[in-house]
Amino acid sequence: GAGVSQSPSNKVTEKGKDVELRCDPISGHTALYWYRQSLGQGLEFLIYFQGNSAPDKSGLPSDRFSAERTGGSVSTLTIQRTQQEDSAVYLCASSPDTLRYGYTFGSGTRLTVV
Amino acid sequence: RKEVEQDPGPFNVPEGATVAFNCTYSNSASQSFFWYRQDCRKEPKLLMSVYSSGNEDGRFTAQLNRASQYISLLIRDSKLSDSATYLCVVNNNNDMRFGAGTRLTVKP
Repeated sequence: GAGVSQSPSNKVTEKGKDVELRCDPISGHTALYWYRQSLGQGLEFLIYFQGNSAPDKSGLPSDRFSAERTGGSVSTLTIQRTQQEDSAVYLCASSPDTLRYGYTFGSGTRLTVV
Repeated sequence: RKEVEQDPGPFNVPEGATVAFNCTYSNSASQSFFWYRQDCRKEPKLLMSVYSSGNEDGRFTAQLNRASQYISLLIRDSKLSDSATYLCVVNNNNDMRFGAGTRLTVKP
């Protein structure tokens, strides 16, 4: 597609359940980032992929969070045993070359843990 | 000290006003710089890159001062549609760091 696609756009889950969020970057974009944004807050970096490898996982808030990227394209962010504080908008972004072009964001997945 | 700092605002200005935002960054090795705009409950969107020589795109002018480690964004003749949060972004080796954003409201 023309842009970064994320699914689902909204997800309501019960505390303790696992959730999987998907990001389909722009075709050919090698760099992929995950951020989260709580209501009224700034962007919190989670993880960065270059191709299939994740050189920077420093932002993952706990071991309940994991992410993978296969085939240098689609990425999934998995949150196990969700907690209420996990409620946020999870944003994915991709870029062919962040130094020159910055990156393009998807419209995000709004996660609500009840 | 935060890596990227911005005045959170809010900036409330009348239509037609000129408004300027500043952003400071701590990593002197940072290589590229951007301004993003984020509307309420929407994803951030790239507004413009920032170059050392300064660059202009219509009513928007961005400047970079590497010696002082700050970036600025100037909006001239502000429109109601400019109301948004403006995010300063600093890139070092693909590590993109966002400021918390400056909220702008343009009023009739």
